[in-house]
Amino acid sequence: DAGITQSPRHKVTETGTPVTLRCHQTENHRYMYWYRQDPGHGLRLIHYSYGVKDTDKGEVSDGYSVSRSKTEDFLLTLESATSSQTSVYFCAIRRQADQPQHFGDGTRLSIL
Amino acid sequence: SQQGEEDPQALSIQEGENATMNCSYKTSINNLQWYRQNSGRGLVHLILIRSNEREKHSGRLRVTLDTSKKSSSLLITASRAADTASYFCATDGGGADGLTFGKGTHLIIQP
Repeated sequence: DAGITQSPRHKVTETGTPVTLRCHQTENHRYMYWYRQDPGHGLRLIHYSYGVKDTDKGEVSDGYSVSRSKTEDFLLTLESATSSQTSVYFCAIRRQADQPQHFGDGTRLSIL
Repeated sequence: SQQGEEDPQALSIQEGENATMNCSYKTSINNLQWYRQNSGRGLVHLILIRSNEREKHSGRLRVTLDTSKKSSSLLITASRAADTASYFCATDGGGADGLTFGKGTHLIIQP
């Protein structure tokens, strides 16, 4: 398995609180991605990174920000969580574009 | 919006039978990928087929791609109980941005 660790694995928090999810890789892959998975929607891209300090928005980026200060870590932040952000969040990595992605086991986030 | 759409949404077959899932997409692609997801786990890459390829095999998996019809199929032969999972197709434009996933097919293999 690709060396990807997501933390925390589960989190319950209240509306309006800030939340940060972490994705850590040991593969030294250039590209990192955050997706959310919701019933009836499949996986949707939130943000992605193509290098240290290089990030861009995905399909559903509103309400989320990311940071990548070093190759191995990609952080996803919900500045003020809303109930609509209750979801399962997946991080993925890949060595180069047009190659397969490798996924972490996800973070189940509940916003009450 | 979703790029890929899998069909059927759910499929239940007997162990030993073949399972076929279809995927349709809307825009041009660099490649198309299939992933499996077991309950509560992340996605696992199964196979990648490039836009200039028509068919690809990996073990009991066979993937076809028809770019003129913007469709792909995944065939799992001689199914096993362990194949029970959700299967997703994902299109890749070849750039730095991520994959665009369909909503998946939930496959149940009855022992």
